[in-house]
Amino acid sequence: GAGVSQSPRYKVTKRGQDVALRCDPISGHVSLYWYRQALGQGPEFLTYFNYEAQQDKSGLPNDRFSAERPEGSISTLTIQRTEQRDSAMYRCASSLAFSSRRINQPQHFGDGTRLSIL
Amino acid sequence: KQEVTQIPAALSVPEGENLVLNCSFTDSAIYNLQWFRQDPGKGLTSLLLIQSSQREQTSGRLNASLDKSSGRSTLYIAASQPGDSATYLCAALCRGSGANSKLTFGKGITLSVRP
Repeated sequence: GAGVSQSPRYKVTKRGQDVALRCDPISGHVSLYWYRQALGQGPEFLTYFNYEAQQDKSGLPNDRFSAERPEGSISTLTIQRTEQRDSAMYRCASSLAFSSRRINQPQHFGDGTRLSIL
Repeated sequence: KQEVTQIPAALSVPEGENLVLNCSFTDSAIYNLQWFRQDPGKGLTSLLLIQSSQREQTSGRLNASLDKSSGRSTLYIAASQPGDSATYLCAALCRGSGANSKLTFGKGITLSVRP
């Protein structure tokens, strides 16, 4: 497809389970970003990659959250031992070029994965 | 820490009205500012991106301005239409961890344009 693809669209799981959220960026996009968006809030930065290298993970809330992008394309955000407070919309975005201090290509967002922890 | 504020949280206007959406940020040392549109159940669509050296950007009926010194940006929508109904978010690109940068979003303004 032409856009950023995220799967699953919806995920409902019990507290304590591990979940893996997938993001397939636009072909050829170098940078990939993960955000978390609570209801009525704007997206909050979690982490991002340039190619396969994780550049910034300062937004990950704790060590239960991890992300990888082993081949520089598809990325997986994993949440271990989920808690109810992890319930949110998880959004992925990609952009054509590196993110640096002064150059920013527009970020293209997927439709998100809505995660509900029971 | 950068904070981005959008007030009011919701706005309802009749069709055809020109309107202004406001965004303010606390740290004027931004690299650029972006406006996004969010439709229910959909992703975010980038509308306009203003580099820190620019004052405004235009695309069709949309015009965004940036005043770094006062920490403000506005999105102007001309001749609003029902199809403009959505949530509009602004986001400031700021210094992140190390040499990286990251987007800080406001909570958004939910716009409803009545036919």
